[in-house]
Amino acid sequence: EIVLTQSPATLSLSPGERATLSCRASQSVSGYLAWYQQKPGQAPRLLIYDASNRATGIPARFSGSGSGTDFTLTISSLEPEDFAVYYCQHRSNWPATFGQGTKLEIK
Amino acid sequence: EVQLLESGGGLVQPGGSLRLSCAASGFTFSSYIMHWVRQAPGKGLEWVSAISGVGGRTYYADSVKGRFTVSRDNSKNTLCLQMSSLRAEDTAVYYCVKVYFTSGDYAGPFDIWGQGTMVTVSS
Repeated sequence: EIVLTQSPATLSLSPGERATLSCRASQSVSGYLAWYQQKPGQAPRLLIYDASNRATGIPARFSGSGSGTDFTLTISSLEPEDFAVYYCQHRSNWPATFGQGTKLEIK
Repeated sequence: EVQLLESGGGLVQPGGSLRLSCAASGFTFSSYIMHWVRQAPGKGLEWVSAISGVGGRTYYADSVKGRFTVSRDNSKNTLCLQMSSLRAEDTAVYYCVKVYFTSGDYAGPFDIWGQGTMVTVSS
């Protein structure tokens, strides 16, 4: 089973700042990594798939990069609605696994 | 509009059984592998199970293998998860999820999520 490790666990930033979230895989997942956003009481929402492709309706301030074992989700300029928990997930093989999450909180 | 609507959650005693259902609409259900993902209270996401578009292949997390059975009825656009020998650690919100890509056994990405149904295993 591939283990995904996200860092940091919590990120405290202010609106307008740039956020950089990391996801590291225990072995290569090629480019088969997705990012999700989850707000309290809501189901997760797909942001990025296959490392760098924005899902339908996702604003351009969200971008993803990386391949192999190291991936990054960048939010270029934080909006108030971006403060949430973010998860990475791979689809490289079975079982699919998720990272433990990064909580992005308002500073 | 693409929608997934779960039902069947509730309170069950340890060792008991429960059957979850997911009604799908707005897309060609049989063309997509479908998954179950769960989230324990205050915890992260855990993939649980998946079933191929025509139902011939199933996949399970080790934590539920032998206890949970996933099935689907493409004539009714319905996905099910039969859960037995339930444990306290199975307590979670269970999400029915659709993958983004069609016509293949993809382990993600998950573009459509249901609202979730809560399963509580407690005496």
